[in-house]
Amino acid sequence: QSVLTQPASVSGSPGQSITISCTGRDTDIGAYNYVSWYQSRPGKTPKLLIYAGTRRPSGVPDRFSGSKSGNTDSLTISGLQTDDEADYYCASFSSSGPVLVFGGGTKVTVL
Amino acid sequence: QITLKESGPTLVNPTETLTLTCSFSGFSLSDSGVGVAWIRQSPGKTREWLSWIYWNDADRHTPLLKNRLTITKDTSKNQVTLTLTNMGPADTATYQCARSRQSLPWAFDVWGPGTVVTVSS
Repeated sequence: QSVLTQPASVSGSPGQSITISCTGRDTDIGAYNYVSWYQSRPGKTPKLLIYAGTRRPSGVPDRFSGSKSGNTDSLTISGLQTDDEADYYCASFSSSGPVLVFGGGTKVTVL
Repeated sequence: QITLKESGPTLVNPTETLTLTCSFSGFSLSDSGVGVAWIRQSPGKTREWLSWIYWNDADRHTPLLKNRLTITKDTSKNQVTLTLTNMGPADTATYQCARSRQSLPWAFDVWGPGTVVTVSS
């Protein structure tokens, strides 16, 4: 059972926008803006896409954006590309238990 | 180029102690604000953060593993070592190390590829 809840899968067609949600609790996402998002592809190391909820590291395209509402953070991928097909997972600082908790991951399929 | 790579045994007997090494290049753990953490993922389970060590020698561990974890660094060798005592089947997982920086709070900007550890007699 993941502390942070993500949908198992999301799909979209090239050019479309998709949103992946990451729902936590009052002790993590609800109280802090420290959610990070990662892209994971087979045979590659995870890539940091978003940190501190909405900030992009240098080099990450602005097609990737983060937002928050209540206890849920979301990652939006705009202008979906075939290259975006991967697993995406979130992580957040937590004030209860382990200081960092993860979501179960979401498989993105580009139709 | 910044890289991290995990190394250690692939098979561990139950009750033994696991020792993993994260060897990195392209940065120093004496640089202010830098940290290295260990994260694992057991088959079919969510990723789990284990331990974190920082440039200033501070460290932290997940409370869920109840004092089984130790993390140390060797700045001269650019290595971080994780030990996990009293290994059991639930510790079978892919173990990864990752770098953190103060400018990217609570996030990891570079990861190692991971090393698979199986606990079995």
